[in-house]
Amino acid sequence: GDSVTQMEGPVTLSEEAFLTINCTYTATGYPSLFWYVQYPGEGLQLLLKATKADDKGSNKGFEATYRKETTSFHLEKGSVQVSDSAVYFCALGEGGGADGLTFGKGTHLIIQP
Amino acid sequence: GAVVSQHPSRVICKSGTSVKIECRSLDFQATTMFWYRQFPKQSLMLMATSNEGSKATYEQGVEKDKFLINHASLTLSTLTVTSAHPEDSSFYICSAFRGAGLSYNEQFFGPGTRLTVL
Repeated sequence: GDSVTQMEGPVTLSEEAFLTINCTYTATGYPSLFWYVQYPGEGLQLLLKATKADDKGSNKGFEATYRKETTSFHLEKGSVQVSDSAVYFCALGEGGGADGLTFGKGTHLIIQP
Repeated sequence: GAVVSQHPSRVICKSGTSVKIECRSLDFQATTMFWYRQFPKQSLMLMATSNEGSKATYEQGVEKDKFLINHASLTLSTLTVTSAHPEDSSFYICSAFRGAGLSYNEQFFGPGTRLTVL
């Protein structure tokens, strides 16, 4: 079956540091890939997505590229802020998001001023 | 827009009782809603897919008689944990899909319900 593996946290960085959160996947078909973010006390919010190989999703300074050859969808941001502190989930789904999603375990990101 | 609410946010019950959790899409109609379960430091696991007006589709290993799902309207789905036991204690999260045909299709997630069974 489908699965998603992402780096374990917590990840602690200083403000303005470069961020990479690794995510790799296994899937039988050609899934869409997603990054969700969860702030304390809130529901998951879609951060960005990519629906096919070589697509780059971007939002709020975050970006991730769908790499079929390495089955990866790493999340990056050039300069993190304290407000980026949250839990980040990598996920995949068939049907462009219309089907149930398969999630990674989540990475807790802590940004220190 | 695109807000999904869950009620209650937290519930504690005795073993053997049933608990109902509501998931509502507040400002859009959702033909499909999903129920997930999350254990501490684990990923969200899809339990079932619920389509308005039809029976839910359960993932392998999820007991349909244990976790009753009703999707009676385009804005409400309910999950009832029947005869709850301590091993059912978990964080339950729903999502609602605002589907194709609109300019933006995406799953919107509720804030989750923490169930503790004593």
